[in-house]
Amino acid sequence: AQKVTQAQTEISVVEKEDVTLDCVYETRDTTYYLFWYKQPPSGELVFLIRRNSFDEQNEISGRYSWNFQKSTSSFNFTITASQVVDSAVYFCALSELRVLDDYKLSFGAGTTVTVRA
Amino acid sequence: EPEVTQTPSHQVTQMGQEVILRCVPISNHLYFYWYRQILGQKVEFLVSFYNNEISEKSEIFDDQFSVERPDGSNFTLKIRSTKLEDSAMYFCASSDTEAFFGQGTRLTVV
Repeated sequence: AQKVTQAQTEISVVEKEDVTLDCVYETRDTTYYLFWYKQPPSGELVFLIRRNSFDEQNEISGRYSWNFQKSTSSFNFTITASQVVDSAVYFCALSELRVLDDYKLSFGAGTTVTVRA
Repeated sequence: EPEVTQTPSHQVTQMGQEVILRCVPISNHLYFYWYRQILGQKVEFLVSFYNNEISEKSEIFDDQFSVERPDGSNFTLKIRSTKLEDSAMYFCASSDTEAFFGQGTRLTVV
């Protein structure tokens, strides 16, 4: 069985602070995919990143960065210089390897990030 | 940019009524999904669909639920006789190298 744990339920920061969201996963698969999604107050799920288990390179996209550590089964997400618009619920998700391009996502419980002006 | 679209954005229905939630996946995607998020809880997988048939379903997806691709563009989720506990946000998704979600349909059963 797969499991994703986001231990932080809520994080509140002041604008321009950095914020790191933790994600720890469990899987028996050797090949799998990890995702992060953002859910703003409007409710939609916005895709942020997909990473496969063979690619442990850290990634940076603008103010977002991701740290994948297979040894500790973690895929943490950092927002640098946070802005009010970053206020949202952030979900980490895991998918086993299925047929190419077919995903069954197991989501974590989400972390609510509130950025105060 | 291509996107998954869902209609309606909000549906209110009486307990026992049938509802159909509609989705238009991204046009060149082959895999389609429905997920559910009860208010304040995590997003849960319901069903995946490929080549005009269900490829996998969760325990939540019981006989009350069905999915269909009635034409080349739409993908629907039908709940036959709604219960209060079916109230949730329902997300449609489709995938190629990434999995993209629609904006969701908030279903309220009263």
